[in-house]
Amino acid sequence: EAGVAQSPRYKIIEKRQSVAFWCNPISGHATLYWYQQILGQGPKLLIQFQNNGVVDDSQLPKDRFSAERLKGVDSTLKIQPAKLEDSAVYLCASSLGSPQEFFGPGTRLTVL
Amino acid sequence: AQSVAQPEDQVNVAEGNPLTVKCTYSVSGNPYLFWYVQYPNRGLQFLLKYITGDNLVKGSYGFEAEFNKSQTSFHLKKPSALVSDSALYFCAVRYGGATNKLIFGTGTLLAVQP
Repeated sequence: EAGVAQSPRYKIIEKRQSVAFWCNPISGHATLYWYQQILGQGPKLLIQFQNNGVVDDSQLPKDRFSAERLKGVDSTLKIQPAKLEDSAVYLCASSLGSPQEFFGPGTRLTVL
Repeated sequence: AQSVAQPEDQVNVAEGNPLTVKCTYSVSGNPYLFWYVQYPNRGLQFLLKYITGDNLVKGSYGFEAEFNKSQTSFHLKKPSALVSDSALYFCAVRYGGATNKLIFGTGTLLAVQP
């Protein structure tokens, strides 16, 4: 069974630029999560989708972050414009309605 | 507020010795508890989980954890540490439903010396 795929793996941008990350969950997994992991901290949930609907986006900085999952499969997370403090690893995870999530390898973002 | 605490930033242990990585939680209701491991430049890998049933849970790579409801703890253990176990370990809790938000601790760096 293929795992959660994410791209790109690494991204370096200047502040005020925009960036997008892509996630392809495990086939059939209805629930998709995006996490932000700042160096030295545990992952923090940004947004949770159930199929193509948003379940929880309470910790998503909506003035600059957006996410979509239009067809209930792949998802993109966008930051526009980026700030220095957005430097982090962005993790995507998926689940099949069970308590356990499966994580992708993450995208490491560096904002200069 | 719901929270997870990992009181040790780093745990050092000699290869072959037993290891314990501590985790305590504070949630209302019955929690689902997890341990994940993260190697450098890698995503989170699932180790084990407690949902219900036996308080002693066995997981991947010889790890186990014991759910203690009275002490609200879920410590990770292994009888004999390997150098290859050196990594960052995260405890996490989910409450209120199977797909509700997962709350992570701050992580504990395990260093196993040869």
